Amino acid sequence: DTEVTQTPKHLVMGMTNKKSLKCEQHMGHRAMYWYKQKAKKPPELMFVYSYEKLSINESVPSRFSPECPNSSLLNLHLHALQPEDSALYLCASSQDPTSDEQFFGPGTRLTVL
Amino acid sequence: GQQLNQSPQSMFIQEGEDVSMNCTSSSIFNTWLWYKQEPGEGPVLLIALYKAGELTSNGRLTAQFGITRKDSFLNISASIPSDVGIYFCAGQRTSGTYKYIFGTGTRLKVLA
Repeated sequence: DTEVTQTPKHLVMGMTNKKSLKCEQHMGHRAMYWYKQKAKKPPELMFVYSYEKLSINESVPSRFSPECPNSSLLNLHLHALQPEDSALYLCASSQDPTSDEQFFGPGTRLTVL
Repeated sequence: GQQLNQSPQSMFIQEGEDVSMNCTSSSIFNTWLWYKQEPGEGPVLLIALYKAGELTSNGRLTAQFGITRKDSFLNISASIPSDVGIYFCAGQRTSGTYKYIFGTGTRLKVLA
């Protein structure tokens, strides 16, 4: 298995909802990432997990809460989001903290109403 | 967040033509990656570059790590309709720090 999978593919939520995005990889990668991508813009790093521990938080608002239950899974819990949080949320992984090649999943298209 | 300057911003070319795009920065980078992203999908890694002056090919794609370490180039030869998409460069200043800075993207359209 050489891919990163993400679910759901699309998500529509209200500002009072709580939802979660899921990411999974079975390549044995030990670093996993969350990116946010607005339309026609490049991806922007949100969080980095290294060996299941949060190593980088790019000053992301607390309404986004990441979780890494094990080495294959990465979640992003969403609560009280704003319409401007609507974007494509991308998960990526790399072999280990020293590996330079990041592989992306297909993304979750999030719309906040 | 910080972005790398990527040019051109968009290109409309005829099928069969060669394509060139570049990514520039005022800072030195240790690693360059080139990605292609199609609508509604995540970026797909095309080529990774690790040394100044390095020239690497992947099929019809060739990328180069600039000698000054402040730029990188991607060439696509004999373009085909499925080359359509947005091409992003991504640079890493310090190896192993996970943090890549992405270019602004080059949107490529190929006319059959």
